Amino acid sequence: NAGVTQTPKFRVLKTGQSMTLLCAQDMNHEYMYWYRQDPGMGLRLIHYSVGEGTTAKGEVPDGYNVSRLKKQNFLLGLESAAPSQTSVYFCASSTVLDSTEAFFGQGTRLTVV
Amino acid sequence: KQEVTQIPAALSVPEGENLVLNCSFTDSAIYNLQWFRQDPGKGLTSLLLIQSSQREQTSGRLNASLDKSSGRSTLYIAASQPGDSATYLCAVSSGGYNKLIFGAGTRLAVHP
Repeated sequence: NAGVTQTPKFRVLKTGQSMTLLCAQDMNHEYMYWYRQDPGMGLRLIHYSVGEGTTAKGEVPDGYNVSRLKKQNFLLGLESAAPSQTSVYFCASSTVLDSTEAFFGQGTRLTVV
Repeated sequence: KQEVTQIPAALSVPEGENLVLNCSFTDSAIYNLQWFRQDPGKGLTSLLLIQSSQREQTSGRLNASLDKSSGRSTLYIAASQPGDSATYLCAVSSGGYNKLIFGAGTRLAVHP
């Protein structure tokens, strides 16, 4: 049971570089999410997807793009990384019911220097 | 706008104590409330999920209660152990699509 898998686990970027974070889930969930966690703060929603081919903005979407070309994958892109994007990124997934548990990946620790 | 607050921010207790962690939210229109555990450098592990129609959930030494009308939830940990040391996060689902709003967490240290 892999659940939600994030790749990579750690990354250091220089300001202005681009990268893509990959999230894969094997639970056939419709909904997928990207959150970021900063010190002293709770997780905040960046973008989410309610199904293959759909994406929507969350609370802090600026500087990020996402794609959901396959149901099991949700990609988070940083086109031009900034130091303010240094954070721990978590992917999550859940079923379509409004009152079900969310399952989280192990996180990606990104540092932008 | 939904906001979630957790008190205290940090807690240090000797082993064996019973603990209460608090979570409050500003909008009572929620679908559910989840408590998570996060170990340093790790992901989130779901501990308990309380549906909006429920008052409490129990799992082993953990008991979580929900009072929607007052916008509060508590996580009760009985007979704490050093292995309980972690950050505990509270999150509410509101606004549809299971989007979660998180509190900043309570960092718990249980010492022998």
